This record gives sequence, structure tokens and C-alpha cells, in this order.
Amino acid sequence: AQTVTQSQPEMSVQEAETVTLSCTYDTSESDYYLFWYKQPPSRQMILVIRQEAYKQQNATENRFSVNFQKAAKSFSLKISDSQLGDAAMYFCAYSTTGNQFYFGTGTSLTVIP
Amino acid sequence: GAVVSQHPSRVICKSGTSVKIECRSLDFQATTMFWYRQFPKQSLMLMATSNEGSKATYEQGVEKDKFLINHASLTLSTLTVTSAHPEDSSFYICSARMTSGGALWNIQYFGAGTRLSVL
Repeated sequence: AQTVTQSQPEMSVQEAETVTLSCTYDTSESDYYLFWYKQPPSRQMILVIRQEAYKQQNATENRFSVNFQKAAKSFSLKISDSQLGDAAMYFCAYSTTGNQFYFGTGTSLTVIP
Repeated sequence: GAVVSQHPSRVICKSGTSVKIECRSLDFQATTMFWYRQFPKQSLMLMATSNEGSKATYEQGVEKDKFLINHASLTLSTLTVTSAHPEDSSFYICSARMTSGGALWNIQYFGAGTRLSVL
């Protein structure tokens, strides 16, 4: 069965610093997708970044980048130059090419001014 | 682009009444929509997968007769909580996936959620 594990329930970072959120997953599939979603206090889920498993190159979106280690089944999110608006719950998610979509338990990120 | 509208954002109802929640993809077609339930400070729990023109696929433990899902068009799915009780109080979130989107395929775009309170 596919599972997504986020081992850090809470993290904090000083404004302008860098923080890395961890995510591991379990799958027997070779073709799949990985995501990081952000849920701020408004509770609107926002896509941060997406990675396709067949691509070796790590995805980046401005200050957000991932470290995708396929063999280790690891998919961490790095936030550079952290801003107050980055404070939110971050969910790692895994999806197959079908309809299956699995979320991790989330990491609550606090940004300290 | 890729906006999903969910309505209402907040609803308070009496026990025993039914509540309908709408999920619309505003600028894209969505063959598949998803309905989630989220408890405070917890992750999203998938309730059902809604496919346009066919019956929804419910996750184990989700009562089909209590949570009625209709996906009558490529841009609209509805969730009806029938005979709601206080234990149904929760935050419900819908999402939609593009029918075809090239590089954007398989991304779930989320509505803003509905907070249901059953008195």
C-alpha cells in the first residue's frame, strides 16, 4: 500500500533563513507524481511544487525547491529566504497515474520575524 | 487559471436536515473531482472520487447514503450531506483534476472548503 510519511509535525524558521521539510513515501510503482501543498490559516490548499518520478531533475519554483531521491523514496521541500507568508501547514502528497492520491499528515511551519 | 469554486464557505444547520455543497471548476473541465474531509489540525481524508456521468467511488467507511455525490457536468460536482447530525460537523474540501492538461495533468486544484456545523 502507498503511504506518505512526514516525520516533522512542527518546524520553525527565522525569517530570511532556509528550512527543509521532510517527506518519505512507500510505493512499488515506477511512474508516479509527488506534490507539496501549502494550507495557510485560510485553509485554502495551494500547490507549491510538483515532481514527476521519471524526471531526475529536481523541480524548483522560485524560492521553493525539492530534493527528490527516488531510490530512497524521499521528497523533501526546501524553502529559501523564508517569508512570514510562508507560515502554513505543508502537506506532501503522492499520486499514481490513476485516481489514487495520498496525503501525508502535514508539517506546521512557523516563521519567526 | 485553474480555479475551483466551492460554495457555501460556511453553513450551520439543524440536526436532521440536508446540506448541499457545490464544487465548480471555473476555467477548466474536470472529468474527476474529489471530496475530502478534514478534522482540525489533521490531514485530508479522501471521502470519494467523483467521475462525470457515472457513480462516485467511495472510500471504505464512508456512508454512500449519507454523503450523496453527483457529478452531472464537467464543471460541477455536488456533495449532499443527508440527515446531518452533529458528528458530521467538519471541514469539507473539494478538488478537481483537469480532463487533459499536458504538463498540468494530475494536479489537484482545491476549493476553499466548507465549514459545516450541525446543531
